[in-house]
Amino acid sequence: ETGVTQTPRHLVMGMTNKKSLKCEQHLGHNAMYWYKQSAKKPLELMFVYNFKEQTENNSVPSRFSPECPNSSHLFLHLHTLQPEDSALYLCASSQGPSGANVLTFGAGSRLTVL
Amino acid sequence: AQTVTQSQPEMSVQEAETVTLSCTYDTSESDYYLFWYKQPPSRQMILVIRQEAYKQQNATENRFSVNFQKAAKSFSLKISDSQLGDAAMYFCAYRSARANSKLTFGKGITLSVRP
Repeated sequence: ETGVTQTPRHLVMGMTNKKSLKCEQHLGHNAMYWYKQSAKKPLELMFVYNFKEQTENNSVPSRFSPECPNSSHLFLHLHTLQPEDSALYLCASSQGPSGANVLTFGAGSRLTVL
Repeated sequence: AQTVTQSQPEMSVQEAETVTLSCTYDTSESDYYLFWYKQPPSRQMILVIRQEAYKQQNATENRFSVNFQKAAKSFSLKISDSQLGDAAMYFCAYRSARANSKLTFGKGITLSVRP
């Protein structure tokens, strides 16, 4: 099993629902990331947290709300999403924010918005 | 801004043969890292190999090796003795050595392996 665990693996929600994606890392890392992976497009960085503090918000719409209560857990709260938000959401972690640090990814949460 | 280009959307290789996946990137920086990640149908993004830009020697990990041409900004991945388990999407990625830099990915290439 990977050191980065994401739940749920699959999520189907309506446009008016509120749901959350969860990510947990067991690697002792201090930086965590949310990426969005859509078909035929490069992975898009959404948010970065270092030592629980948000250091990057890549112009993500406010209907996506991240939360990082500690260095091991990262959430992505979802509300009033659009069908174009359907994608694979990948969580990753790294030892720190240095460019030398390798990112370890989870297996992703496949989101479908109806 | 840094960009990573993988111009081939798909490739196919016969089992046991060798295949090379291409990647080019654009940057004005001199100190950075390059990566190849593999994403099989299980969706887990797995690090295949990492290259430090200040090292002239090409990185190697078992059957996987890279051809890093810094002046040409080219970073290709060679897979030798291809196996069925190598079938996956492969992503090339770039990251500056600066703190808080982004990991920038290419669009990826789908590799199929013919038995």
